[in-house]
Amino acid sequence: DAKTTQPPSMDCAEGRAANLPCNHSTISGNEYVYWYRQIHSQGPQYIIHGLKNNETNEMASLIITEDRKSSTLILPHATLRDTAVYYCIVRSRDNYGQNFVFGPGTRLSVLP
Amino acid sequence: ETGVTQTPRHLVMGMTNKKSLKCEQHLGHNAMYWYKQSAKKPLELMFVYNFKEQTENNSVPSRFSPECPNSSHLFLHLHTLQPEDSALYLCASSHRTSGETQYFGPGTRLLVL
Repeated sequence: DAKTTQPPSMDCAEGRAANLPCNHSTISGNEYVYWYRQIHSQGPQYIIHGLKNNETNEMASLIITEDRKSSTLILPHATLRDTAVYYCIVRSRDNYGQNFVFGPGTRLSVLP
Repeated sequence: ETGVTQTPRHLVMGMTNKKSLKCEQHLGHNAMYWYKQSAKKPLELMFVYNFKEQTENNSVPSRFSPECPNSSHLFLHLHTLQPEDSALYLCASSHRTSGETQYFGPGTRLLVL
């Protein structure tokens, strides 16, 4: 079972920041938070991951709360191409054989 | 472009046919995965290979038969499928199986008639 909880859907205006929340209250100390997205009928695309510090790359920023029980993925200037299902996944990087468990995710609709 | 390619992108087959899905990764990874995504359902992990050895089979019916001849190639052989097997089949790879980021291919959309 997925260890995360995400809202089923969100809307965002084009050009505005999209803030996607994720709750992972049972996260273990060695588990990372990963974000992927899946544009309709395509393979999931890796976005970003982090352990406890905030992370930023060319696609997005990841803000993890100090207690690590929740996080927010930020797309700073959403475009129509960012419309997709966004998955938040927690997973250890040192457990052999543990695999990604994809939940239903959040369907983000970027509106013109 | 993630460095993981899949062919064919679309496939229609009858229940008595035999077909194969192919996945190739150009990332130098050692682990490869097959996932199934049925309509309006989350991704389901099917098989895991690490250094060409199968390390996980998530109770997948025997009509799905994986093959990993080397670390860069992964096949999924299909025979006597059922209409409920229609789905998007996704291949992924990672450096190792233990906790590494997985990179996905574009998927093969399969329709079983």
